[in-house]
Amino acid sequence: AQSVTQPDIHITVSEGASLELRCNYSYGATPYLFWYVQSPGQGLQLLLKYFSGDTLVQGIKGFEAEFKRSQSSFNLRKPSVHWSDAAEYFCAVGRGKAAGNKLTFGGGTRVLVKP
Amino acid sequence: KAGVTQTPRYLIKTRGQQVTLSCSPISGHRSVSWYQQTPGQGLQFLFEYFSETQRNKGNFPGRFSGRQFSNSRSEMNVSTLELGDSALYLCASSLAPDREYEQYFGPGTRLTVT
Repeated sequence: AQSVTQPDIHITVSEGASLELRCNYSYGATPYLFWYVQSPGQGLQLLLKYFSGDTLVQGIKGFEAEFKRSQSSFNLRKPSVHWSDAAEYFCAVGRGKAAGNKLTFGGGTRVLVKP
Repeated sequence: KAGVTQTPRYLIKTRGQQVTLSCSPISGHRSVSWYQQTPGQGLQFLFEYFSETQRNKGNFPGRFSGRQFSNSRSEMNVSTLELGDSALYLCASSLAPDREYEQYFGPGTRLTVT
């Protein structure tokens, strides 16, 4: 069965500093990978996705992520964090067409931004 | 274009009761998925509907059911509510159940069971 691990439950970062959130997945084939963000009381917003091709993908709000097959990782990065980036971030993996749109999510990483 | 709409946004029910939650997908989207989010279990897939047919089901008891209407709107029902059913229920829509289609999530329905 596929699984997603986000090793960091909480991360505190100063405004203007860089941010990296870790995501490791377990899946037999090439997965489809996603990062979502959830602000308090809100649903999930898609930040970026990886299906194939260039392993460095750009998303919204200045985020990027790099797929590393050898490490089964899909880490999310942002060069300079803004106070509005404080939220919970979820990594997710999707499978092939037979599984439709079913996503398996990691446990999430809550990001706190210090002024 | 309007986003995914979920109603109601908040709900309080008593153990043993049943509840129905509604989801209206983005216009033109035909696939709807449901997820349960709790502090203990995180985000878990409930089921997915496309063209009024359930395509996938997660590992939840039969008390959890859903359906999709011809206009792609979807409802999920939980019967004989338990305290552990308290959660944020999220609905997501996409054009079709293909892995290359993005899913867009609604704001969720916060269900509290007392």
